[in-house]
Amino acid sequence: SQQGEEDPQALSIQEGENATMNCSYKTSINNLQWYRQNSGRGLVHLILIRSNEREKHSGRLRVTLDTSKKSSSLLITASRAADTASYFCAIRETSGSRLTFGEGTQLTVNP
Amino acid sequence: GAGVSQSPSNKVTEKGKDVELRCDPISGHTALYWYRQSLGQGLEFLIYFQGNSAPDKSGLPSDRFSAERTGGSVSTLTIQRTQQEDSAVYLCASSLGPARETQYFGPGTRLLVL
Repeated sequence: SQQGEEDPQALSIQEGENATMNCSYKTSINNLQWYRQNSGRGLVHLILIRSNEREKHSGRLRVTLDTSKKSSSLLITASRAADTASYFCAIRETSGSRLTFGEGTQLTVNP
Repeated sequence: GAGVSQSPSNKVTEKGKDVELRCDPISGHTALYWYRQSLGQGLEFLIYFQGNSAPDKSGLPSDRFSAERTGGSVSTLTIQRTQQEDSAVYLCASSLGPARETQYFGPGTRLLVL
């Protein structure tokens, strides 16, 4: 099955709540990245975590990586309506130059 | 330029016609990537350029798809004899180099084959 599988597929929360999205993969990775996409157009890079890192923060974003479980999570704290978007994880395997994207989590933050 | 640009923004064509999609990467970015995204789906890798050469074109779905890059800058993705299943958003991204991880995406070209 596809690398970089996210769950849940869709998540609906109220403004101010935290949102957690998960990503699982199958191979050895060099790094894992999270991207955001609004309205089915271009993606915006959010954060990158390398295979030797366990946790990273950027503003309201917190990413964890567990290479033993081959999984990552993206936490958005104190969500805002403007956070409504699709969120994708992408893995870079230890060999090769491509990123492999999952199918994304559609996050809806209700005001 | 300030970011990755793609043209056209939208393209409607008839089945069997050829289409050309253009990508202008960020100036100085040596790596360029093409992806395809069907409605509600994730990104499907098509091809990767480093400079003008394509070390990885394994994602091209059929021989109707081809891409080139000239001058280490602009890239064109060509789809010959388009089929309805080619309808999707075609996204281009660039990065400083394959070792520079962050990819910067263009807004995409939405292709509809009737």
